[in-house]
Amino acid sequence: SAVISQKPSRDICQRGTSLTIQCQVDSQVTMMFWYRQQPGQSLTLIATANQGSEATYESGFVIDKFPISRPNLTFSTLTVSNMSPEDSSIYLCSVEQGLSYEQYFGPGTRLTVT
Amino acid sequence: ELKVEQNPLFLSMQEGKNYTIYCNYSTTSDRLYWYRQDPGKSLESLFVLLSNGAVKQEGRLMASLDTKARLSTLHITAAVHDLSATYFCAGTYNQGGKLIFGQGTELSVKP
Repeated sequence: SAVISQKPSRDICQRGTSLTIQCQVDSQVTMMFWYRQQPGQSLTLIATANQGSEATYESGFVIDKFPISRPNLTFSTLTVSNMSPEDSSIYLCSVEQGLSYEQYFGPGTRLTVT
Repeated sequence: ELKVEQNPLFLSMQEGKNYTIYCNYSTTSDRLYWYRQDPGKSLESLFVLLSNGAVKQEGRLMASLDTKARLSTLHITAAVHDLSATYFCAGTYNQGGKLIFGQGTELSVKP
């Protein structure tokens, strides 16, 4: 199974600032996904990050607010820009691996915006 | 647009009892996933169901998929306290890896 790490694991940020979250995978993967889990809620897909192309955003999420980079097949970043308290959530990256179609999640980044 | 609904959303069980969590989805889903999430933790992959009639079992958990009914179930046999967690099902669409999650079922197993 893929081993995924995220940095930072948690952060407390002031409104109006930005935070960049890193996601590192121990093997090369084509697609990486970014999800948000608001407190007490389920997970919602933010965007799909493919290496060498622009990220594809889901309805309700825009590039200006959540810019994503995917410089290679093992790494991606998600930036949460101009943060407000409503952005307080857990942000998780995931990857799909192999012919088994398993999808693995990173440990998450717990963001609190004050 | 794929929508996924779970029920029940909250489940309090006694140890040793059996129960089933249901996952309904609105349109064709390529695959059906089950995850477990412990408080403050990330998601742990339990099962991936790929085709109609698929059944997978791991320990006290068994998952099945009926694509015609657009229904997946997660059956818990002889529950133990260690199974207390939130369980999510998720479907995919358009042959991609995008997961659409259900609301989650918070399971509490009491002695």
